[in-house]
Amino acid sequence: ETGVTQTPRHLVMGMTNKKSLKCEQHLGHNAMYWYKQSAKKPLELMFVYNFKEQTENNSVPSRFSPECPNSSHLFLHLHTLQPEDSALYLCASSQDIRTGKGDTEAFFGQGTRLTVV
Amino acid sequence: DAKTTQPPSMDCAEGRAANLPCNHSTISGNEYVYWYRQIHSQGPQYIIHGLKNNETNEMASLIITEDRKSSTLILPHATLRDTAVYYCIVRVYSGGGADGLTFGKGTHLIIQP
Repeated sequence: ETGVTQTPRHLVMGMTNKKSLKCEQHLGHNAMYWYKQSAKKPLELMFVYNFKEQTENNSVPSRFSPECPNSSHLFLHLHTLQPEDSALYLCASSQDIRTGKGDTEAFFGQGTRLTVV
Repeated sequence: DAKTTQPPSMDCAEGRAANLPCNHSTISGNEYVYWYRQIHSQGPQYIIHGLKNNETNEMASLIITEDRKSSTLILPHATLRDTAVYYCIVRVYSGGGADGLTFGKGTHLIIQP
């Protein structure tokens, strides 16, 4: 248990469906991240949120839409995905060092295994 | 792109020390060396990080060369549960803000019984 919880753990969706991935952290962190891990490829950073504001978008297609309503919750809304979007989606959180508290190591959730059919 | 080079795979006997090398010849003066590992089908787990001094915690030791161009992660008494992909990452620690991690392909460490 890392303190970062992702739901669902597994998701199968059609290309015309709309679904959302949820991430919740109970560590008091203020930064949250979405990563994508495709088969046989390194983890890729998708989005970064710091104090609820999106600070980084790594050229992610618009069919992936993140939402961060507060520092503890992060969503990834999915619509009209393609089969090549099938992957393990990982959420992580960390502390912004500028707060003067804690360290900057990232804590990851267990991931959502997404299959697009 | 990842700024580190690691062997794609390594074997180690259970109970022995596992020494995982990492080359980071272009590391900058303000960049730290971080190690994470990912056990199959789980999220990555932080192990240790350091700047230039050797570091040790309950999980592992980190040895950084004097010129900082390479480092070695040491798992002192490897167990079967240490079988995982180990990632060496260089990143800026200070300077504030939240920035993501750039992962390479890592080293797949297999602990043999």
